[in-house]
Amino acid sequence: KNQVEQSPQSLIILEGKNCTLQCNYTVSPFSNLRWYKQDTGRGPVSLTIMTFSENTKSNGRYTATLDADTKQSSLHITASQLSDSASYICVVSWYSSASKIIFGSGTRLSIRP
Amino acid sequence: DVKVTQSSRYLVKRTGEKVFLECVQDMDHENMFWYRQDPGLGLRLIYFSYDVKMKEKGDIPEGYSVSREKKERFSLILESASTNQTSMYLCASSPGQGLYQPQHFGDGTRLSIL
Repeated sequence: KNQVEQSPQSLIILEGKNCTLQCNYTVSPFSNLRWYKQDTGRGPVSLTIMTFSENTKSNGRYTATLDADTKQSSLHITASQLSDSASYICVVSWYSSASKIIFGSGTRLSIRP
Repeated sequence: DVKVTQSSRYLVKRTGEKVFLECVQDMDHENMFWYRQDPGLGLRLIYFSYDVKMKEKGDIPEGYSVSREKKERFSLILESASTNQTSMYLCASSPGQGLYQPQHFGDGTRLSIL
């Protein structure tokens, strides 16, 4: 069964600290993995996409990694800011059509001043 | 910038009513999607459309139908609303060659069925 699991469910850190969010998946055949950020009351916005051949990709203070062998991805946030408070959602696609994707349930990140 | 607009942010309806949720995108995207988002469950696909008048069932289509008469507009219809359809509904769009393209989301409609 295709599944995407994220951990932790929620996380609270102090402003300026780093954190890492995890995503494990069992989707096959794998196409790509995308991280979205969802601010409260808003729709998700794409942060980065990882394909099978990519190990690391950065977008400003966000760095995503992918280990296709162990089917794990992580999202590392450096020097957190208050505006990083949001839910972070891992989404995995498999080769079929644009509709064949699974969303993780997200990690709720809160940054405290 | 892609803009996906959902007609209502908040909606309250009664059990048994027919409910229409509207979504419009301004980037000429072929693909459009309707999801519901519930705490702890992640987004679940209700219906997907890859062209005008074309639709595919997603993971949870029961109790819902959709309409896509124009490329930019995708409507979700609750034929006879029930309390278990109380949820956040999100619309999204993406280009036709969409496997590596992000979906662009609206800000959601929070629907309460009383």
